[in-house]
Amino acid sequence: DAGVIQSPRHEVTEMGQEVTLRCKPISGHDYLFWYRQTMMRGLELLIYFNNNVPIDDSGMPEDRFSAKMPNASFSTLKIQPSEPRDSAVYFCASTRRGAFEKLFFGSGTQLSVL
Amino acid sequence: AQKVTQAQTEISVVEKEDVTLDCVYETRDTTYYLFWYKQPPSGELVFLIRRNSFDEQNEISGRYSWNFQKSTSSFNFTITASQVVDSAVYFCALRGYSSASKIIFGSGTRLSIRP
Repeated sequence: DAGVIQSPRHEVTEMGQEVTLRCKPISGHDYLFWYRQTMMRGLELLIYFNNNVPIDDSGMPEDRFSAKMPNASFSTLKIQPSEPRDSAVYFCASTRRGAFEKLFFGSGTQLSVL
Repeated sequence: AQKVTQAQTEISVVEKEDVTLDCVYETRDTTYYLFWYKQPPSGELVFLIRRNSFDEQNEISGRYSWNFQKSTSSFNFTITASQVVDSAVYFCALRGYSSASKIIFGSGTRLSIRP
């Protein structure tokens, strides 16, 4: 079975540009999480969805960040405009109801904003 | 408020030594869940274990063991006879019953096993 698929693996962009990170959760999973990992702040939960509906976005740092889940098999995290302090590894994770503590993580997107 | 503290930022031991990674948590929930995840150099986090707050039995899985003590709000992880392949960043995490599905991670402990 395919795991959580994130794209791109690496993204290098210039300050002010729009960045879109993509995630395909495991089929059948109804929870999807976006995390950000930095040296300074560790692993932070940005937002999570249940059945495509955003449940908690209190971790989204600013209005520059937005996330969508138009269907059960796809989610995006968008940063517009991007800033150097957004540089981090962004992880997507999914799980299914009844087992949702066991998160399945994607390989992450390494974002560098110059 | 919920919080997970992993005071050990980095640990380095020689292969075959035993090593314990500490995890201390804070929550106001009486029901909660604790986890350990491993992040190898490849970057992807891998689930290791989940523990419910009402089950204080320690658990052993091969060379891995976990010691859950509610009295000290700790959930420590011990690797016995460490191996180079155990080198990774290890995260402790917490989900409180009242916080729905929000899982909070500690800052991680980077474990290096030297041959």
